[in-house]
Amino acid sequence: EAQVTQNPRYLITVTGKKLTVTCSQNMNHEYMSWYRQDPGLGLRQIYYSMNVEVTDKGDVPEGYKVSRKEKRNFPLILESPSPNQTSLYFCASSDRTGVDSPLHFGNGTRLTVT
Amino acid sequence: KQEVTQIPAALSVPEGENLVLNCSFTDSAIYNLQWFRQDPGKGLTSLLLIQSSQREQTSGRLNASLDKSSGRSTLYIAASQPGDSATYLCAVILRGSTLGRLYFGRGTQLTVWP
Repeated sequence: EAQVTQNPRYLITVTGKKLTVTCSQNMNHEYMSWYRQDPGLGLRQIYYSMNVEVTDKGDVPEGYKVSRKEKRNFPLILESPSPNQTSLYFCASSDRTGVDSPLHFGNGTRLTVT
Repeated sequence: KQEVTQIPAALSVPEGENLVLNCSFTDSAIYNLQWFRQDPGKGLTSLLLIQSSQREQTSGRLNASLDKSSGRSTLYIAASQPGDSATYLCAVILRGSTLGRLYFGRGTQLTVWP
């Protein structure tokens, strides 16, 4: 089944403890991206990747890192999480750089930073 | 910076009604526009993608139109059903060096009651 898989689905952590949210797609998509969704603010793009080894900042990249070493994986790294990064995070992928074909979303990761 | 606005924020209608959801954007130099559906606790599902060269796209009971000159898109849902209840979001990609950046509206929460 074609899908975007995020792990974990739920994560509670403490301020400053490094964490990684994984994202994997099995559709051989070139484009992958990360978003956070907050009440009243909607969905905002964090980072995106047009292809392997190519990443760019979205609207809210501060406090996040990404890497794209292989096509199928696009992990989101929080080196020193803070409470304002408590949010619902989504990973998405698309064929052909993401500009010509629909986005496929994962089911989300709900992160709480205390 | 691209601003995407969706009106209304919430809509409640009886089953069977035809309805229109609105999406407006400030920068008309878009590459494409996508409409998504989000069910509670789930990721987004792409419904329709309209390229900048197109005026509309149709899928089943859904029809999306695009008017770049006025900075607007509408999603028309015919003969609404309770299963259509969800949040509907639109997103645009701009032309130019930031290809890959997505800008989302905050969504319209639709409730269709029997």
